[in-house]
Amino acid sequence: GDSVTQMEGPVTLSEEAFLTINCTYTATGYPSLFWYVQYPGEGLQLLLKATKADDKGSNKGFEATYRKETTSFHLEKGSVQVSDSAVYFCALSYSGYSTLTFGKGTMLLVSP
Amino acid sequence: KAGVTQTPRYLIKTRGQQVTLSCSPISGHRSVSWYQQTPGQGLQFLFEYFSETQRNKGNFPGRFSGRQFSNSRSEMNVSTLELGDSALYLCASSLAPSGNYEQYFGPGTRLTVT
Repeated sequence: GDSVTQMEGPVTLSEEAFLTINCTYTATGYPSLFWYVQYPGEGLQLLLKATKADDKGSNKGFEATYRKETTSFHLEKGSVQVSDSAVYFCALSYSGYSTLTFGKGTMLLVSP
Repeated sequence: KAGVTQTPRYLIKTRGQQVTLSCSPISGHRSVSWYQQTPGQGLQFLFEYFSETQRNKGNFPGRFSGRQFSNSRSEMNVSTLELGDSALYLCASSLAPSGNYEQYFGPGTRLTVT
């Protein structure tokens, strides 16, 4: 079956550092890929998405590129802020369904 | 416009009891999905509904059931509660069942089983 694997956290960074959170997937078809963010005490928010190979999703300074050859969708940001502290989830879904398969999540802690 | 609403926000139940959780999607959204979030298993898919029809179901025992009403509101029910059912239950809505439509998540219902 399909699965998503993320690097374990927490990832601890100082403000303005470069961020990479690794995500790889196993899929039987050609899924869309997503990054969701969950702030403490809140539900999930869509951060960015990519629907086909070589697409780059971007939002709020975050970027991720859909790499079919390495089955990866790594999240990057050039300069993190304290307000970026949250749990980040990589996920996939297929056209025709809303069902999301999530990774375990990676907690990011940014200190001033 | 109003976001996804889940009620109640917090719930404490005893083993063996049953519970019903409610989800009101964003106005105009017809697709509703449910997820269970626990520290050990992470986010796991429960059900997906569209136009009152269950389109997909996750790998959960039959004690977990759900339904969707004609106004797109959805409920999920868990019977004969077990300690392991303690979790955050998240509901998400979208215009239609497709990865091309953004899913909007509610704040969740925190269920504690004692």
